[in-house]
Amino acid sequence: ETGVTQTPRHLVMGMTNKKSLKCEQHLGHNAMYWYKQSAKKPLELMFVYSLEERVENNSVPSRFSPECPNSSHLFLHLHTLQPEDSALYLCASSREGLAGDGGELFFGEGSRLTVL
Amino acid sequence: SQKIEQNSEALNIQEGKTATLTCNYTNYSPAYLQWYRQDPGRGPVFLLLIRENEKEKRKERLKVTFDTTLKQSLFHITASQPADSATYLCAPSNQAGTALIFGKGTTLSVSS
Repeated sequence: ETGVTQTPRHLVMGMTNKKSLKCEQHLGHNAMYWYKQSAKKPLELMFVYSLEERVENNSVPSRFSPECPNSSHLFLHLHTLQPEDSALYLCASSREGLAGDGGELFFGEGSRLTVL
Repeated sequence: SQKIEQNSEALNIQEGKTATLTCNYTNYSPAYLQWYRQDPGRGPVFLLLIRENEKEKRKERLKVTFDTTLKQSLFHITASQPADSATYLCAPSNQAGTALIFGKGTTLSVSS
């Protein structure tokens, strides 16, 4: 138990569906992240929120839409996805600002997404 | 552009031996470097952080070195056990304010 909870753990959706991934952290951290992990590829940073403000967006297609309503919750809204978007989506949090200042990341267990 | 290379995708060793994993980076001047462990179907778990002014860091059977001249970090697991089998990720970071970027990882298999 890392203190970061992701739901759902598994999700299957069609290309025309709209769904959301949810992440909640119980650690009192100020920064939250979405990473994508595809087979045989390194973790890809998607979005970073620090104190509920988006501070990094790594050229992610607009079919992925993040939302951070407060410092404990992070969502990833999905719509009109492609089969190549199938992957493990990982949420993480860190204590102070961005991990670039030395803070370790605490990851959730991930949401396994399959797009048909 | 910044690049992170972990020496091999897979490393197989016998129980009791020392496993050595390599992380090389280019076009980077990291202030520190982190190592994570990831088990199949699960999120990565933080193991160690080493700063640029530290040559070596230890934690139980784990040892990490950081050579800023060679732009390389070595991760050692001594007296390896089958339970150490997992994928190990390195993540050098840059200036403050930049989120961590990870290497592809090396999958370690320890056989009894």
